Amino acid sequence: DAKTTQPNSMESNEEEPVHLPCNHSTISGTDYIHWYRQLPSQGPEYVIHGLTSNVNNRMASLAIAEDRKSSTLILHRATLRDAAVYYCILKETSGSRLTFGEGTQLTVNP
Amino acid sequence: DSGVTQTPKHLITATGQRVTLRCSPRSGDLSVYWYQQSLDQGLQFLIQYYNGEERAKGNILERFSAQQFPDLHSELNLSSLELGDSALYFCASSVAERGGKQETQYFGPGTRLLVL
Repeated sequence: DAKTTQPNSMESNEEEPVHLPCNHSTISGTDYIHWYRQLPSQGPEYVIHGLTSNVNNRMASLAIAEDRKSSTLILHRATLRDAAVYYCILKETSGSRLTFGEGTQLTVNP
Repeated sequence: DSGVTQTPKHLITATGQRVTLRCSPRSGDLSVYWYQQSLDQGLQFLIQYYNGEERAKGNILERFSAQQFPDLHSELNLSSLELGDSALYFCASSVAERGGKQETQYFGPGTRLLVL
């Protein structure tokens, strides 16, 4: 799978928006961008995915750059429960496995 | 709750031993994936089964094996255990075999294995 680059860590305050960036300059035209997160002592959980257009769901929004070389996961109002490692993953056709990078450790301050 | 269950939650054993980890996928999901999460290697894909058949292999050691049974639950067998096998083992499930690029995987809570 194509490689993604994320900051190792980010901090936010409770009830403020958080923008988590992901660079994927080698993305191919048909790769989907997926975000998963892993809360402490839990398995990863799906957050959102998209191809070209911005996407919204009950958990977050995904903003995808026009050239698709980067994307941003947006948590509109961070809560303490959002403290987790966030993984940006590119999904290709080669198979169903998920290739996790190091992700971004998000800390939410009260 | 993802709907994926894993047992046991914790497992402590000694080097050289063999253990079996069990996973029950979400109702209706035919694919089961196993991942290993260790401090130095991060989350790594081990193996995938679809409807009882092996479909893809990742960085799985020869000492490890898995199978998926007719009722779709899966077991991961780890043998000749070494200290370095200590890790979290996650099972995930999804509906399809190769999945579309939009397909979501649902992860279980994991089994924490400690080899002493």
